[in-house]
Parts: sequence; C-alpha cells; structure tokens
Amino acid sequence: AQSVTQPDIHITVSEGASLELRCNYSYGATPYLFWYVQSPGQGLQLLLKYFSGDTLVQGIKGFEAEFKRSQSSFNLRKPSVHWSDAAEYFCAVAGNSGGYQKVTFGIGTKLQVIP
Amino acid sequence: DTEVTQTPKHLVMGMTNKKSLKCEQHMGHRAMYWYKQKAKKPPELMFVYSYEKLSINESVPSRFSPECPNSSLLNLHLHALQPEDSALYLCASSPKSLTGGTEAFFGQGTRLTVV
Repeated sequence: AQSVTQPDIHITVSEGASLELRCNYSYGATPYLFWYVQSPGQGLQLLLKYFSGDTLVQGIKGFEAEFKRSQSSFNLRKPSVHWSDAAEYFCAVAGNSGGYQKVTFGIGTKLQVIP
Repeated sequence: DTEVTQTPKHLVMGMTNKKSLKCEQHMGHRAMYWYKQKAKKPPELMFVYSYEKLSINESVPSRFSPECPNSSLLNLHLHALQPEDSALYLCASSPKSLTGGTEAFFGQGTRLTVV
C-alpha cells in the first residue's frame, strides 16, 4: 500500500529565510509524487510534480523539490520565503491504476511565516 | 479553461434533508474524483469515476451517492447525513493516461455543515 509521511506538522520560519519541508513516501514501484498547497478554506493547488527524469523539479512560486530514490524522499524547498507562502502543504503519492490516479496525501505541514 | 468548478461553495443542511453537490470541468478529463477533508486532516478519497463509470468506492456509506451524468459533470447526492459528515468536499479531475503520470486538478471545495 502506498503511504506518505510528513514528519513536521508545523513549521515557523522568518520571512526571507530558506525553507525545507520533508516528505517520505512508500510505494512499490516508481511513484508519481506531488506537492500541493492549500490556503484556509480553499482547494488544493499543485506546486510541482515528479513523474520521471530529472530528479530536481521546479514548480510555481519559486518552489523546487528533489526526488531521492535511495532515501524515499521528496523534500520541498524554497530559498527565500514570502509572507504569502503561509499555508498548509501536502505531499502526495499516486499510482496509475488503469488511467486514473489514486492519490494518497500526507498529513500536511502547516507553514507559519513571521516578519 | 483549466478549472474545476464546484457549487455551492457553502452548504448547511439538516439531517433529514436531501441535497446535491455539483462539480464541473471542461478540460476533457475522463477521470473525476470526490475527496472528503475534515478539519486539520488531509483529503481522503471517496469515489473515482473513469469514463463516467464508477471505478473506486472507498467503502463510503450509502448516504453519499455519486453520479456522473456526462464527461464534464460529477454530482454527489447527500441524504440523511450525520453531523460528523461535516467537512470540505473536494472534487478533482485528471487526464486519462494508461502509460504515464497525470496530475489531478482540484476545485475549491464545498464546505458542508450538517446540523
């Protein structure tokens, strides 16, 4: 069964500081990996995705993530955090089951940004 | 058009009411999903439709009844709900791919309160 672990439930960083959100996954084959962001009461917005190829993927809003198969990790990074980045971040893993995605989300990491 | 549109945005219903949630996409996606998200929790998959046919039902109680009348529309019919069913209901869609990864596009959700 596929699963995702986000070990940090809550992270606080200063505006302008760098950010790394951790994600570890469990999946039997090559995983499809995603990072989504959710503002309070809103839907999910895709930040970036990894399907195959280059293990360092670039996303929107200046985010990037690195796939490390040996560590089963897909950590999200941003060099300089902005106050508007405060939100909930979900790492997710999916398998392709006959053409549709069965997505499993991690528990989420809530990011707080302080001035 | 890269949007998944959900209506209504908010819904308050009594335990004896019958109501429906609506989801629409015009991206030509042939896989559509319903997720349930409780407060401070990750989204949990409820149903998957592929080519208008129900492919996955994650052991959801029968008081939730999905319907996919055409390739652009997904409904969730609600009847005799309980207060613990109060949650954010998210709809998503994804392109059908038999060989590669695809990403799910999420709507903004319907905030449901059962009183």
